[in-house]
Amino acid sequence: GAVVSQHPSWVICKSGTSVKIECRSLDFQATTMFWYRQFPKQSLMLMATSNEGSKATYEQGVEKDKFLINHASLTLSTLTVTSAHPEDSSFYICSAREILALLAKNIQYFGAGTRLSVL
Amino acid sequence: AQKITQTQPGMFVQEKEAVTLDCTYDTSDPSYGLFWYKQPSSGEMIFLIYQGSYDQQNATEGRYSLNFQKARKSANLVISASQLGDSAMYFCAMRDTSGGYQKVTFGTGTKLQVIP
Repeated sequence: GAVVSQHPSWVICKSGTSVKIECRSLDFQATTMFWYRQFPKQSLMLMATSNEGSKATYEQGVEKDKFLINHASLTLSTLTVTSAHPEDSSFYICSAREILALLAKNIQYFGAGTRLSVL
Repeated sequence: AQKITQTQPGMFVQEKEAVTLDCTYDTSDPSYGLFWYKQPSSGEMIFLIYQGSYDQQNATEGRYSLNFQKARKSANLVISASQLGDSAMYFCAMRDTSGGYQKVTFGTGTKLQVIP
């Protein structure tokens, strides 16, 4: 399957600082990437859909100014948690969609996730 | 209404036995896709299997097969010959068009534990 790289895998930061998380599709181009948040023992909650060259589409309840998403190229999307606070501590996972038009499949592959701890 | 429902929060299976993880879904979109992902304790989401709404045959990938019953809106995952390494959280997910764009929704997951 396709490979999605997410970095860093773990970050600890002080309250009030900003943290950037990178998501790269390594062996395919992804016009669309997705950012999820997962609380312990819960399912994945979609935060936003990131489209290359345009603004991200945020889900209801997700603060656009808090979670800045940039999708500058077909292989890279970044999520910046601005002015992080302890309640932002969570597991963030990105995914990229590989479109296999001939097979009529749109499969989302996931990065390994980033555990953010805000002190 | 829940779009994806996984009614089994936890399951046990004996090693080498088969196990079925349940998933039901709800959508009015005629074109949709169903996925199963495995999430080990390390956190990464591993893609297992995909079923398109128009696929005539049930999807199979090695020891994984998807029992797709369209009329009942169910997409159960069957794992044959369970191995200890299969112990993990399993999420069912559906891609459909909602609010004008495609979106993937995840179920709440089933924790599978394989017993030696």
